[in-house]
Amino acid sequence: SQELEQSPQSLIVQEGKNLTINCTSSKTLYGLYWYKQKYGEGLIFLMMLQKGGEEKSHEKITAKLDEKKQQSSLHITASQPSHAGIYLCGAVGYNFGNEKLTFGTGTRLTIIP
Amino acid sequence: GAVVSQHPSRVICKSGTSVKIECRSLDFQATTMFWYRQFPKQSLMLMATSNEGSKATYEQGVEKDKFLINHASLTLSTLTVTSAHPEDSSFYICSARISGGPNNEQFFGPGTRLTVL
Repeated sequence: SQELEQSPQSLIVQEGKNLTINCTSSKTLYGLYWYKQKYGEGLIFLMMLQKGGEEKSHEKITAKLDEKKQQSSLHITASQPSHAGIYLCGAVGYNFGNEKLTFGTGTRLTIIP
Repeated sequence: GAVVSQHPSRVICKSGTSVKIECRSLDFQATTMFWYRQFPKQSLMLMATSNEGSKATYEQGVEKDKFLINHASLTLSTLTVTSAHPEDSSFYICSARISGGPNNEQFFGPGTRLTVL
């Protein structure tokens, strides 16, 4: 089964600073999703990466998938209080033929004013 | 964007009772829905895959007789926790995949917090 390890587990960052969250897979990633969750709420889709070396950006958030497709990073530039929450990476099985999402261990982000 | 709703958002029940949680895709059809459970400070764990018109597929370790899943229409899946016990207290989240949609993207509901006394 696909195992996803996220680092760090928790992160406290001063507002305005940049930060990076990593997601490492034990197997080749054929589809990698990034979600954000506020405590006690559902998941908000951020981005999906599929190709090796792919990079996507939305507002101040950039996600990359490495060439070997076993690691993804999520980078937030000039963090704001609205970025606080739990970030989860999720991966589908082989080549999207398996629809099940396996989630990473999660990273809890706190933004200090 | 695609919207998934869950009802109720919170439920408190006595031990031994059954609780039904609904998951609805509001503006799209979903042949496949997924049920997850999340314990405090932990990630989401897939419980089962719900397929419209057929039996659900349960993950290893999930009791199918305890967590009954019914996916009677293309917009509704229900999860019934039967004879609930305090250890079943958790945050239950469903997701739905657009039928025939690209990239198999899943849209998540807001979750249901179950507390069993």
